[in-house]
Amino acid sequence: DAGVTQSPTHLIKTRGQQVTLRCSPKSGHDTVSWYQQALGQGPQFIFQYYEEEERQRGNFPDRFSGHQFPNYSSELNVNALLLGDSALYLCASSSLAGAPETQYFGPGTRLLVL
Amino acid sequence: DAKTTQPPSMDCAEGRAANLPCNHSTISGNEYVYWYRQIHSQGPQYIIHGLKNNETNEMASLIITEDRKSSTLILPHATLRDTAVYYCIVRVADGSARQLTFGSGTQLTVLP
Repeated sequence: DAGVTQSPTHLIKTRGQQVTLRCSPKSGHDTVSWYQQALGQGPQFIFQYYEEEERQRGNFPDRFSGHQFPNYSSELNVNALLLGDSALYLCASSSLAGAPETQYFGPGTRLLVL
Repeated sequence: DAKTTQPPSMDCAEGRAANLPCNHSTISGNEYVYWYRQIHSQGPQYIIHGLKNNETNEMASLIITEDRKSSTLILPHATLRDTAVYYCIVRVADGSARQLTFGSGTQLTVLP
């Protein structure tokens, strides 16, 4: 049973560019959450997708957007990249059908903005 | 979700039990206690969760006090691979899709 997978593992971009990160949830999961983890800090919640809709959003600007596909996989898009967007981006999947809901994380995508 | 307090760091000798405390004095009746750990530069790993009763799985045991205001994660026989940042998180875990709010966690260092 494959766990949560993310691609790419590493990415280098320059300021002002756009980036798309991808996540495939654990088998049987229907919900995907995205987190940003800056160096030396704990993960910060960006948003969560369920049934192809954004259900909850953290304190992140509109430059951060996402999408969930019918197969439950998800993308995180960041426009107009800033140096401060350099971070580890984590995807977590869960199933709202199973109470209590437990989130399982992927290995993350390391983004460096130059 | 309720806030948690954890010591910033702890050491443990290899082979001994590691006991990681967490205070959550404002926890509500419908909030679960979750533990995750993060080994350097990897994604957080789910360890265990509980509501009222003590819980045990293949990784660890979770002891929750009767008043639910604090808990302890126990790694019974710590190994060097258990060196990581351990996060205690309190959250509602119903079907309403709640985020995980990470604090600073406890850096556990297992010493040879």
